[in-house]
Order: sequence, then structure tokens, then C-alpha cells
Amino acid sequence: DAKTTQPTSMDCAEGRAANLPCNHSTISGNEYVYWYRQIHSQGPQYIIHGLKNNETNEMASLIITEDRKSSTLILPHATLRDTAVYYCIVRGSVRSNDYKLSFGAGTTVTVRA
Amino acid sequence: GAGVSQSPSNKVTEKGKDVELRCDPISGHTALYWYRQSLGQGLEFLIYFQGNSAPDKSGLPSDRFSAERTGGSVSTLTIQRTQQEDSAVYLCASSPFGVSNTGELFFGEGSRLTVL
Repeated sequence: DAKTTQPTSMDCAEGRAANLPCNHSTISGNEYVYWYRQIHSQGPQYIIHGLKNNETNEMASLIITEDRKSSTLILPHATLRDTAVYYCIVRGSVRSNDYKLSFGAGTTVTVRA
Repeated sequence: GAGVSQSPSNKVTEKGKDVELRCDPISGHTALYWYRQSLGQGLEFLIYFQGNSAPDKSGLPSDRFSAERTGGSVSTLTIQRTQQEDSAVYLCASSPFGVSNTGELFFGEGSRLTVL
């Protein structure tokens, strides 16, 4: 059962912000939103995660709507190296013993010069 | 090393042969995961270890697949009597497991298996 819905693909211009949407309308109160990305021929890489507050780190920002039914990953200044498949994943806390990340199809992001 | 290490990086084998894939997790990480990714597909969960025990083997596709972990560290995924549909990239990930951790998984680069 897919807990998240993402667009199949999107293009972004180099140097511009990339806004990646994700719908998770059935998210429950103790579930987190995680974002990973997978660059071609590499293993997935953690980007960011959040529960209900917006989060920012050196890679990206995560904006979660107040009702928590959707979120947006923002890459502030996309570069060609950001071309990858981006996965939005809903997962319970490790305290809840929800240890498994279930990867869907993700969004294929292509950054163009 | 600093990251998750997997070997071999590439393995070509003939149908019917057995293969072993190895994963060295990040030192101190008690949780270890195996996933597989077929060409152009998403990641498919195979098995999860907490220490040396495997509380969730639900993703193993058949009894030809097995995995073990020793010393709370190295893990080996074994595929017996390989079939062409076993061709995929096998990814290992590790994670610290405790109430203060972020739940982040650290992935290796994968072992690409080709069954001829």
C-alpha cells in the first residue's frame, strides 16, 4: 500500500529552486515524512525528515502543511548534480518499532542547464 | 571505513549457481537492512536485522534466499540456485537504533548481480 503520492517526473532549471510535492493524506499522528534521493548507479541518500514543523538543513528545506496531508521538498538552488530520483516516505518513529522504509516509485528530477 | 561497504560490486554468474553478497555496516550500527532493486524499478525490502537476529524476513522472495549476520556486524546474503529473475542491484543499509536516533538509513553502493 503506497502511503505517498508523487509526480512521476519533473524538470528544473539549474540555479533555480526545485519544489517537489508529496501527498500523504492518510498519515497518522506519529508518522514522520522522510525524503531520500538516489543518483544514478548509487545507493539512496538521506536528505531530510520532519514530523509537523518545517525543517531545513544544508541540503534542503521541508515544508509540511498544517494538516500534515502533504509536504514539499525544496532544493533552493538546483545544480546538475541534483538530478536524481527523489523518494518521499512516511514512516513511524523508531520508538514505535516502525523500522522499515518502504520506497515507492519516486519523482525523477532532471536539472537542465 | 566511514560508510557501508558492499562486496562484490559486480557479480556475473551462471543460472543455477549459488552466490554470496557481503555487507559491512557502519561500526556501531545495530540495524541492518537488505533491499533489492531491479532495473528501472524501485527498492524492494528483503530483510531486516536488529543485532544478529532477523525479526522481519518477510521480503525474501523465496526459500532460495537467506541471510545471516554475525557479531552484530557483517551480513551475508546468499542466493542459491540463481535464476535470471534474480538479476538486480542488492543494496545494504545500516542504522543506529535507539530512541535518540533520526531513523536515517545509510546505504552502500550496492552489489550488481547478473545471472546469465
